[in-house]
Amino acid sequence: QQPVQSPQAVILREGEDAVINCSSSKALYSVHWYRQKHGEAPVFLMILLKGGEQKGHEKISASFNEKKQQSSLYLTASQLSYSGTYFCGPTSGGGADGLTFGKGTHLIIQP
Amino acid sequence: DAGVTQSPTHLIKTRGQQVTLRCSPKSGHDTVSWYQQALGQGPQFIFQYYEEEERQRGNFPDRFSGHQFPNYSSELNVNALLLGDSALYLCASSSAFGPAGGVSGANVLTFGAGSRLTVL
Repeated sequence: QQPVQSPQAVILREGEDAVINCSSSKALYSVHWYRQKHGEAPVFLMILLKGGEQKGHEKISASFNEKKQQSSLYLTASQLSYSGTYFCGPTSGGGADGLTFGKGTHLIIQP
Repeated sequence: DAGVTQSPTHLIKTRGQQVTLRCSPKSGHDTVSWYQQALGQGPQFIFQYYEEEERQRGNFPDRFSGHQFPNYSSELNVNALLLGDSALYLCASSSAFGPAGGVSGANVLTFGAGSRLTVL
């Protein structure tokens, strides 16, 4: 089942902070986060693993709440380059899971 | 270092026709996954290939089939095209022995730019 992302869209001024949420109906093993700019391929941002391990971007952080089956992506002091659509893809197992992405959160950063 | 390359970039077909899309994974990657992305939606998992076998499949009909070659490249075939098959088809590669100590569910996907299919 597809995870639910919120908000659907957000417009910020450069330098402001943003939080993007992802909720899953399944128990979480890991959550993947990707960003896609218009007309381009999705690009990896971060993976959060059960047990607290994180792998990803220097200027973006994220949380992983296993009990609530939720993850949040935190964009601090946003830059123009952060504009794009953000997708989360949770997995419920450590096997060869194909990712089921949410519908995405559209982030627009204005100067 | 070449990333994931896909061909063709754009193509137009008519209902009932068949289409083949191609993907070359990133150097060093051995696993290929295919995703369908409709306009305004997130990518939807079609299937994944590893060691020339389909390892996992999403909720797509048998009209969607694939193949992986010994050099790890892959093809996606769609038969009896429907209007609803119009979408961006993304190929993503990864390594079975990824950064999380071989746990496939934690591997980083590298996506190609996609093949835009329009069915008329």
